[in-house]
Amino acid sequence: GAVVSQHPSRVICKSGTSVKIECRSLDFQATTMFWYRQFPKQSLMLMATSNEGSKATYEQGVEKDKFLINHASLTLSTLTVTSAHPEDSSFYICSALPSSGGDQETQYFGPGTRLLVL
Amino acid sequence: GEDVEQSLFLSVREGDSSVINCTYTDSSSTYLYWYKQEPGAGLQLLTYIFSNMDMKQDQRLTVLLNKKDKHLSLRIADTQTGDSAIYFCAETPGGYNKLIFGAGTRLAVHP
Repeated sequence: GAVVSQHPSRVICKSGTSVKIECRSLDFQATTMFWYRQFPKQSLMLMATSNEGSKATYEQGVEKDKFLINHASLTLSTLTVTSAHPEDSSFYICSALPSSGGDQETQYFGPGTRLLVL
Repeated sequence: GEDVEQSLFLSVREGDSSVINCTYTDSSSTYLYWYKQEPGAGLQLLTYIFSNMDMKQDQRLTVLLNKKDKHLSLRIADTQTGDSAIYFCAETPGGYNKLIFGAGTRLAVHP
């Protein structure tokens, strides 16, 4: 139980285009989801907290107009990297906090999406 | 401030025990977590400990918490080659669900 999926797993795009990454909780509902970014051989940095039905909360230094987050349902959050540039290339990982159907004190992580911007 | 520190690398022989150490700063962290990440993959929750506990054991894994020193350790008994991965500890500052991760400890298991 408590499975989180991400789609796509890997994406390559041209500079200036926008890329949407989906995060889904498959067997539980999640009022809150989180988006992280991980550079090679580094730790995960929290980008934003996504709340179903309300605006996301962004961490200091993260541009909310650059990284658009939509949490339209209790099982889906999307992260859109707008006008992507090579420096946005990274590994993006989401996590979901069960609001029901799981351990509500634990974040469950997706497998990650590797973005490469050319 | 929020800061979690870990040693970056640990090498052990197969069958030995591994001990990965972590220090954190926020004494209000309600839970402290250990996650495992294999190459190119997301994070897998290994175990977590509630802040009012000193120790938690789960099969080959033992977590020790010294709240006074803000020190957390993960012991893996009978380490196997499949345990080779990066291990992250994480705190939850302010008692909320926001996770602050350490830099990760790369565990290498050799024959």
